[in-house]
Amino acid sequence: SQTIHQWPATLVQPVGSPLSLECTVEGTSNPNLYWYRQAAGRGLQLLFYSVGIGQISSEVPQNLSASRPQDRQFILSSKKLLLSDSGFYLCAWSRGRGNQPQHFGDGTRLSIL
Amino acid sequence: GQQVMQIPQYQHVQEGEDFTTYCNSSTTLSNIQWYKQRPGGHPVFLIQLVKSGEVKKQKRLTFQFGEAKKNSSLHITATQTTDVGTYFCALSNSGYALNFGKGTSLLVTP
Repeated sequence: SQTIHQWPATLVQPVGSPLSLECTVEGTSNPNLYWYRQAAGRGLQLLFYSVGIGQISSEVPQNLSASRPQDRQFILSSKKLLLSDSGFYLCAWSRGRGNQPQHFGDGTRLSIL
Repeated sequence: GQQVMQIPQYQHVQEGEDFTTYCNSSTTLSNIQWYKQRPGGHPVFLIQLVKSGEVKKQKRLTFQFGEAKKNSSLHITATQTTDVGTYFCALSNSGYALNFGKGTSLLVTP
């Protein structure tokens, strides 16, 4: 069976510090990978998605970036965090195109101080 | 991309009452998916609807896709406290990404 791991679960960072969130998928090959952000009590905002190694599509311009160094690894980064970067970050995977179900990790709660 | 409006934003019911959330689009949808997110948790895929007029059931949950494929609904019969959470509809924009509705938060009091 497929599993998705996301860490850390909780993170508190000062403004201006760097960020690296990691997501890995097991039990499947060549998954589509996604990063979402969810503000408190709000919906899901798609940040990035990737259909293959080194292929990143950005949905929302901001000070975040994503990378896919390996087939089942997806990394969300920032060089300098802003207060507005606080939120719940979720990684997800799917097979094929957008008409396939997405499976989410447990998420990372990021607080910027 | 295609956008979807989800209503209501919040719903508070007594345990045992029914609950319905609706997703509406101005354009014809190829398919629609439904997810549930428990408080503090992550979204979990519930079901996908593809055919016009399609109705699917999962125990007390009934999912419908409109005849014109422009709207969908999720109905819960006799809610329980375990139904608490936010229910999202999501549609694909013919690419790889899903567009999620803003969700309906359901609170069930015993």
